[in-house]
Amino acid sequence: AQRVTQPEKLLSVFKGAPVELKCNYSYSGSPELFWYVQYSRQRLQLLLRHISRESIKGFTADLNKGETSFHLKKPFAQEEDSAMYYCALRRSNYQLIWGAGTKLIIKP
Amino acid sequence: DTAVSQTPKYLVTQMGNDKSIKCEQNLGHDTMYWYKQDSKKFLKIMFSYNNKELIINETVPNRFSPKSPDKAHLNLHINSLELGDSAVYFCASSPLNQPQHFGDGTRLSIL
Repeated sequence: AQRVTQPEKLLSVFKGAPVELKCNYSYSGSPELFWYVQYSRQRLQLLLRHISRESIKGFTADLNKGETSFHLKKPFAQEEDSAMYYCALRRSNYQLIWGAGTKLIIKP
Repeated sequence: DTAVSQTPKYLVTQMGNDKSIKCEQNLGHDTMYWYKQDSKKFLKIMFSYNNKELIINETVPNRFSPKSPDKAHLNLHINSLELGDSAVYFCASSPLNQPQHFGDGTRLSIL
């Protein structure tokens, strides 16, 4: 079955601590993976995609095909990182499969 | 402003009513989507249109009917609203194989 799993519904870390939001996927083809973020009362927006291999707002994510994971990481959390984070996988028919989301809370 | 815009932002109505949510994008994208985000923040695709043709139609009650008069618009009409329809509905658009751009969402509350 094709699915995206974000095992943590809620993740709470202190400001300045490292953050890792987990994402695992199950997909038989060649996946294209994304992280989207939704700040409080704002629209969902693309944070990063694995093919870009870039760092956005200090976040990086590496596609690990062996572990079928695409974890989102940031070495030093900031209060403005508090948001809902969604991992998504694009299928060959261009449909996105979404994870359930992880709410990240950064404590001062 | 180039964007995906949805109207209304808030919709409060009674059970049994029929309502529509409009979505427009001026990004020149050829694909548009409707998502439902429930109270637990779970995001679920409902429909997708590419060049006004329906390409994704997930298991959604047939009380929900999308209409795409042109590539820049994808409206969602809901008949006989039920309590369980309360949610935030997001419209999105993208070129077919590119990341999606989302609207601000429409918060639908059924009394």
